Amino acid sequence: NAGVTQTPKFRVLKTGQSMTLLCAQDMNHEYMYWYRQDPGMGLRLIHYSVGEGTTAKGEVPDGYNVSRLKKQNFLLGLESAAPSQTSVYFCASNDRGRQPQHFGDGTRLSIL
Amino acid sequence: GQQVMQIPQYQHVQEGEDFTTYCNSSTTLSNIQWYKQRPGGHPVFLIQLVKSGEVKKQKRLTFQFGEAKKNSSLHITATQTTDVGTYFCAAYGGATNKLIFGTGTLLAVQP
Repeated sequence: NAGVTQTPKFRVLKTGQSMTLLCAQDMNHEYMYWYRQDPGMGLRLIHYSVGEGTTAKGEVPDGYNVSRLKKQNFLLGLESAAPSQTSVYFCASNDRGRQPQHFGDGTRLSIL
Repeated sequence: GQQVMQIPQYQHVQEGEDFTTYCNSSTTLSNIQWYKQRPGGHPVFLIQLVKSGEVKKQKRLTFQFGEAKKNSSLHITATQTTDVGTYFCAAYGGATNKLIFGTGTLLAVQP
């Protein structure tokens, strides 16, 4: 039982490049989330999904897009990467809203 | 929007000393969750408090939810080096499914 798996674990991009971060969970959870973590700022919610085919904006959605085509996968896209998007990105999931969230190991993304 | 303030930002203790981190909100919370993140790791759920005045214990960790459900605390008795990490409180904002995290308290334990 892998839980929540994020790929890739590390990535370096140049400004203006695009990329997609993948999150996969094998717990049959309905809800999935994407957070970014910056020093001294805790975790901030980017986008989330309450079920297959649905997405919603979090606190800091600008510059990111998401898709939830399959229940087990939640994709986070950066269309045109900017240095301000250098961060550690965490995916999380839970069975339903307000339940404890299970986190992946994170993706460390640097944009030069 | 809802904010969850957490203090202190950083605490350095000698092994065996006690440690407390506090979480405060300007609005009433339906529940509060606590997470621990080891250096280089990911947040791991510790506990959830729901009831006013609730106190829960996990070995050396004691969690409290305030009577007005606007604050919470985590107290560690006799810290050990394995307690090192950042402790986050988190609460759901209003009627949404958005979990709002506090800024966290980084605990360093000197052997």
